[in-house]
Amino acid sequence: DQQVKQNSPSLSVQEGRISILNCDYTNSMFDYFLWYKKYPAEGPTFLISISSIKDKNEDGRFTVFLNKSAKHLSLHIVPSQPGDSAVYFCAASHEKLTFGKGTLLTVNP
Amino acid sequence: KAGVTQTPRYLIKTRGQQVTLSCSPISGHRSVSWYQQTPGQGLQFLFEYFSETQRNKGNFPGRFSGRQFSNSRSEMNVSTLELGDSALYLCASSLGRLDTQYFGPGTRLTVL
Repeated sequence: DQQVKQNSPSLSVQEGRISILNCDYTNSMFDYFLWYKKYPAEGPTFLISISSIKDKNEDGRFTVFLNKSAKHLSLHIVPSQPGDSAVYFCAASHEKLTFGKGTLLTVNP
Repeated sequence: KAGVTQTPRYLIKTRGQQVTLSCSPISGHRSVSWYQQTPGQGLQFLFEYFSETQRNKGNFPGRFSGRQFSNSRSEMNVSTLELGDSALYLCASSLGRLDTQYFGPGTRLTVL
């Protein structure tokens, strides 16, 4: 039973444009959501998080949106840069972290 | 402040052997969690330790075990290795149990 789903295994965007990564969850007990970025042969790096009491959190080029009624969150990267190319994991927290399977983002110069 | 460190970074073992992986959390962090990453399954939670006590456990067989020491350093052990145990094992630390987790670089285990 996959409680956190990232339905797009990959996404390709042009440099300078917006990247939108999506994540759906099923467990209404999740109260904290995070996005991590992972390069090959490295551990995931924390990017941004959002509490379930908020619907938006912004940090520089990264914004996370949470739609609790739809059990959906998204990560917006504006503008996208080639260095953003990596696998992005969505994670949800309730007693422990549950991860999605990741989306490979490729930003083309 | 130094990040999470994991040793060794790479390990090759044969079926039936056992292995111990080590994790040193960020200074001051008291919670350590372990994850297994495989291409097909993504990151799967193994267990969490806080104040030397296992607080939570994922859906893995008893061959997977761990412990945490008084200085918050943690080890995980896998006994009777199987080919399917080949994976990247990641350790993450956080200040407290519900705080943001920060990951180490992982230990790449290959079972032949």
